[in-house]
Amino acid sequence: QQPVQSPQAVILREGEDAVINCSSSKALYSVHWYRQKHGEAPVFLMILLKGGEQKGHEKISASFNEKKQQSSLYLTASQLSYSGTYFCGTEFGSGNTGKLIFGQGTTLQVKP
Amino acid sequence: NAGVMQNPRHLVRRRGQEARLRCSPMKGHSHVYWYRQLPEEGLKFMVYLQKENIIDESGMPKERFSAEFPKEGPSILRIQQVVRGDSAAYFCASSRQGWNSPLHFGNGTRLTVT
Repeated sequence: QQPVQSPQAVILREGEDAVINCSSSKALYSVHWYRQKHGEAPVFLMILLKGGEQKGHEKISASFNEKKQQSSLYLTASQLSYSGTYFCGTEFGSGNTGKLIFGQGTTLQVKP
Repeated sequence: NAGVMQNPRHLVRRRGQEARLRCSPMKGHSHVYWYRQLPEEGLKFMVYLQKENIIDESGMPKERFSAEFPKEGPSILRIQQVVRGDSAAYFCASSRQGWNSPLHFGNGTRLTVT
């Protein structure tokens, strides 16, 4: 039931791009993305609610393909501040509880 | 506008003692979620509560663990007779309306069982 994220880890130089994928074997109701820095709380990035929806926040954007049961997070022209662990959180079915099941995380390290 | 407040930040307990973790949600939020995180691992769902009700406790171990969110006061996650395997970071999150709503996380309580 836990969504699967890939890759597990990414190392980038400043200015490079990265894509993080999140896929599920079950139908998804919505996908959330969070970033967690070491020793800190996870911080909300964005929610995607509809099939095919894309959202953007400066140089971080995401897509959600409901049919394929997957979402991708795009980080363009990465900055040092992007370093951290990225988690996708998924809501399943029609329970409408807001309960999220998180993937195992993707660790991103941006080097100067 | 205070965020989600968790205390204590760090808690050390000996095996067999009780641990009480507190969480005050953001103002205006009535949905509370508890997650456990082991070092270098993801966030594991434990329990979802609304005021005075446990909505979903499918992620809670059947024994020793309990949670409440009373009408007044913070949500409490209680672990009785702690064992070394309970050592982890416990995060509380709150949201305004539950579904389709971002989770706002507290800074977590790091429990160490010696």
